[in-house]
Amino acid sequence: ETGVTQTPRHLVMGMTNKKSLKCEQHLGHNAMYWYKQSAKKPLELMFVYSLEERVENNSVPSRFSPECPNSSHLFLHLHTLQPEDSALYLCASSGQQGVQGYTFGSGTRLTVV
Amino acid sequence: DQQVKQNSPSLSVQEGRISILNCDYTNSMFDYFLWYKKYPAEGPTFLISISSIKDKNEDGRFTVFLNKSAKHLSLHIVPSQPGDSAVYFCAAVSSGTYKYIFGTGTRLKVLA
Repeated sequence: ETGVTQTPRHLVMGMTNKKSLKCEQHLGHNAMYWYKQSAKKPLELMFVYSLEERVENNSVPSRFSPECPNSSHLFLHLHTLQPEDSALYLCASSGQQGVQGYTFGSGTRLTVV
Repeated sequence: DQQVKQNSPSLSVQEGRISILNCDYTNSMFDYFLWYKKYPAEGPTFLISISSIKDKNEDGRFTVFLNKSAKHLSLHIVPSQPGDSAVYFCAAVSSGTYKYIFGTGTRLKVLA
């Protein structure tokens, strides 16, 4: 399988639940990203991993916890979320420094109830 | 403070005509710009890019123009086709960083 794959595609969770989003890429890229897309807002960068090390954390609340066990996999662990965290969460990957452009996954549509 | 702005949330164009999507930026350190296209229920897909050393880049029906003095870029689609109906995001980055800054998107509707 090629490209960037995100699972699950849809997720509904309660505010006390713990869940994880998964992202997988088979493009040989060495940087991976989590973005949040809320209605009528720009895509917001949440986390950047390069060579499995976190290089960027854009003041994201601690209820979002990323994990990058290897260059092909990226997780976003979620716990005690708020309704305003409902959004589309997009994973992306790129080559070194990302100037060549990202490849995005299809996203996980998260609804917090 | 939005560094990349797409001031038109939506645009409707007749099939066969030209679509022009606009994007403004404020950070003079940006030196690479991209356009992404997004269909519902899919992630954004890369469309076309331009380096700050150029003022135009063309790929088939898609052309991106960059006006550095005005900090403005635009995407021209000609002729527009119904399949072009999507949300278009512009993004900017400073080479040497990982941080793409995206605009809020413009929803293009091409009418048959």
